[in-house]
Amino acid sequence: TQLLEQSPQFLSIQEGENLTVYCNSSSVFSSLQWYRQEPGEGPVLLVTVVTGGEVKKLKRLTFQFGDARKDSSLHITAAQPGDTGLYLCAGYANFGNEKLTFGTGTRLTIIP
Amino acid sequence: ETGVTQTPRHLVMGMTNKKSLKCEQHLGHNAMYWYKQSAKKPLELMFVYNFKEQTENNSVPSRFSPECPNSSHLFLHLHTLQPEDSALYLCATQGGAGQPQHFGDGTRLSIL
Repeated sequence: TQLLEQSPQFLSIQEGENLTVYCNSSSVFSSLQWYRQEPGEGPVLLVTVVTGGEVKKLKRLTFQFGDARKDSSLHITAAQPGDTGLYLCAGYANFGNEKLTFGTGTRLTIIP
Repeated sequence: ETGVTQTPRHLVMGMTNKKSLKCEQHLGHNAMYWYKQSAKKPLELMFVYNFKEQTENNSVPSRFSPECPNSSHLFLHLHTLQPEDSALYLCATQGGAGQPQHFGDGTRLSIL
């Protein structure tokens, strides 16, 4: 069974600060996705990373896929209250696989 | 609007009741999923349907019974549930292998 461990589990910081969330596994994933889930809603895709070492930027969010495709990180610059939510990483074990393995989640709170 | 609609949004039922959760998609996706989201646990995959055929049953108790009558609708029939079944039940769709999943906003289920 493939597991994705996210850290930290909870994070509460002041508006304007920077933060990094980590997603780690001992298994290799063909691709990895990050989702954000707000209260009362389902998860919404933020980004997909496919190539080992890949870095993608989405405004103030920077996503990195590890060289070995076993881990990923999400860095947020100058956090804003609108960034508050549950961040989930999820990976496909193999190309063509229909089953996503979800991480344990990081609950982020940005204090105005 | 994610293109995936779940009803009802909230459901409270006794352990002896029978109820059904409904998921409707307008994305034309071939794969549909049921997930369970509990506090302090990663998203748990329950069932996968591909082209209306069930391709995955992740050791889910028989008190949960899925049904996929057509490519746009997915149901989860509930019968004789237990208090530990209280959770957020999420429906998701996928357009192709390795593609992101699109989630509904879930049904918050409480078992009395």
